[in-house]
Amino acid sequence: KNEVEQSPQNLTAQEGEFITINCSYSVGISALHWLQQHPGGGIVSLFMLSSGKKKHGRLIATINIQEKHSSLHITASHPRDSAVYICAVRTGNQFYFGTGTSLTVIP
Amino acid sequence: DAEITQSPRHKITETGRQVTLACHQTWNHNNMFWYRQDLGHGLRLIHYSYGVQDTNKGEVSDGYSVSRSNTEDLPLTLESAASSQTSVYFCASSESFDGDYNEQFFGPGTRLTVL
Repeated sequence: KNEVEQSPQNLTAQEGEFITINCSYSVGISALHWLQQHPGGGIVSLFMLSSGKKKHGRLIATINIQEKHSSLHITASHPRDSAVYICAVRTGNQFYFGTGTSLTVIP
Repeated sequence: DAEITQSPRHKITETGRQVTLACHQTWNHNNMFWYRQDLGHGLRLIHYSYGVQDTNKGEVSDGYSVSRSNTEDLPLTLESAASSQTSVYFCASSESFDGDYNEQFFGPGTRLTVL
């Protein structure tokens, strides 16, 4: 069993749609991290959060520590949002990553 | 601008050979990490370091070693490459932890093929 589970694994959306990607974890954590992996393979950090909600442009991340769940929302999706979104957590000195959600936004 | 680089970007080697992947960061970060990424597994931690002369094993450390002689570099060595080590390898760095999971900055990745 993976410590971090993401859903859905694959997601296709029309441009402009509101998108939600979910992350559930089974371990106690200090904080949760959302990453974006571009089609070329590069990985960039989107958010790090330990409570509540964070917003950056059209991206919103929320976390519920009690329920061990986080969501990443994309408003007004655009084809350039097409990427793999990865959820990651740290507990003690161990790091756990989800397998990613592959998002394709169609014009 | 500060950055984190990896070399080589692509490497093909034969089973049994020793291979070293380089990682260099100019962020002056204390923490450095090596991950491998395989289909169906996501990123998995191989080794990590919290500072010079400090190294620690991660989830999938068998067959790999690292050394940290300065702040900027954390080379990853495969002592005797195996086909199971064919993967994409990512190096990352972050500021010192303070009870929290500080943002990690990732290198561009090295695609290693072991024949």
